[in-house]
Amino acid sequence: AQTVTQSQPEMSVQEAETVTLSCTYDTSESNYYLFWYKQPPSRQMILVIRQEAYKQQNATENRFSVNFQKAAKSFSLKISDSQLGDTAMYFCAFMKHVGWTSGSRLTFGEGTQLTVNP
Amino acid sequence: DTEVTQTPKHLVMGMTNKKSLKCEQHMGHRAMYWYKQKAKKPPELMFVYSYEKLSINESVPSRFSPECPNSSLLNLHLHALQPEDSALYLCASSHSAREREKLFFGSGTQLSVL
Repeated sequence: AQTVTQSQPEMSVQEAETVTLSCTYDTSESNYYLFWYKQPPSRQMILVIRQEAYKQQNATENRFSVNFQKAAKSFSLKISDSQLGDTAMYFCAFMKHVGWTSGSRLTFGEGTQLTVNP
Repeated sequence: DTEVTQTPKHLVMGMTNKKSLKCEQHMGHRAMYWYKQKAKKPPELMFVYSYEKLSINESVPSRFSPECPNSSLLNLHLHALQPEDSALYLCASSHSAREREKLFFGSGTQLSVL
């Protein structure tokens, strides 16, 4: 079974600054995906960024980037130039590569509540 | 259209009621999911449908009954629920071939069982 651990229940950052959220995972799979989802007060889960395990290059989406350390099983999220709208619960998630007929199972961490202060 | 639409947004029901949650998408996705999320907790997978067939049931009690009548629609029928079933119920969908790891979530139905 896979486990995902987020060790920071809460974090805060000043607007325009940079913040890093930590995530570690445990798996025996060699082929998998890692994700960061955000859940603002509206409670919709929004995909922020995803990383395929076989790719060594770290994924980047605008102000969001990851530091993927496969050997260490670490997957941190860096948010640059933080904005008030980044205030949300952030979930790290794991998905093993599955066959195309089966659907996909996401395993979430416990989440990190990020508050961006003006 | 890149939306997953869930109705109703809020639902209050008694323990003897029967109600249904509805989820709809028109992205051509052939995998659809139900997740349950308690306050300040991560979502937990309940069911997965792939090509309108139930492929994963995470040992969910029978008072929750999923249904996938067609490729665009997913229902969750509720009967004889308990107060501890109060939660946010999230629906999601994904493509079955390309980028099947990308799940699109709806905004959820906030359920209160009295």
